[in-house]
Amino acid sequence: DTAVSQTPKYLVTQMGNDKSIKCEQNLGHDTMYWYKQDSKKFLKIMFSYNNKELIINETVPNRFSPKSPDKAHLNLHINSLELGDSAVYFCASSHEVNTIYFGEGSWLTVV
Amino acid sequence: TQLLEQSPQFLSIQEGENLTVYCNSSSVFSSLQWYRQEPGEGPVLLVTVVTGGEVKKLKRLTFQFGDARKDSSLHITAAQPGDTGLYLCAGGWIGNFNKFYFGSGTKLNVKP
Repeated sequence: DTAVSQTPKYLVTQMGNDKSIKCEQNLGHDTMYWYKQDSKKFLKIMFSYNNKELIINETVPNRFSPKSPDKAHLNLHINSLELGDSAVYFCASSHEVNTIYFGEGSWLTVV
Repeated sequence: TQLLEQSPQFLSIQEGENLTVYCNSSSVFSSLQWYRQEPGEGPVLLVTVVTGGEVKKLKRLTFQFGDARKDSSLHITAAQPGDTGLYLCAGGWIGNFNKFYFGSGTKLNVKP
């Protein structure tokens, strides 16, 4: 059973399009995240939700809008995609401050 | 400027060699984690250290948290090709809503 699952795993789309990535965790965690990993493998936090409420927004462009319908789901919607948005997006969840569980990643390529 | 700096950035060694990867910061953390990421996968947690000076062992891997809780090291004894991957450290603070910052990563290649 996958603890943190995200879909799609691969996404190729044209500039200007709008796309969504979905994430679900079955660990019963209260906190979920979106991280972006660039071509240099640097992982940077984008958003964090705790019990469906946004608690961290790391100066991410307004084109990125997270939505948490319940504490087991955190989806990421991206409007007007740009070339620079190409990256791997990781969903993650945690219960305590010491442990994060990551999904397998969504490879986004904007052409 | 990154909060956590890892060194070296790249490391290519022969099977059987020992190696140490460092994670340094000017900030004090409540806890520090080490992850390994393989190509096409998400990072997987290896260990969490929370006490200054703490040493944890995971088979051939030894993790140490600095006394001041600002730095950490990962030592691998007798490296094997299966150890190949990207090693990431991440620091977090209690009460900061589980916010973690990741280091720049060390890409390890162990040649048979």
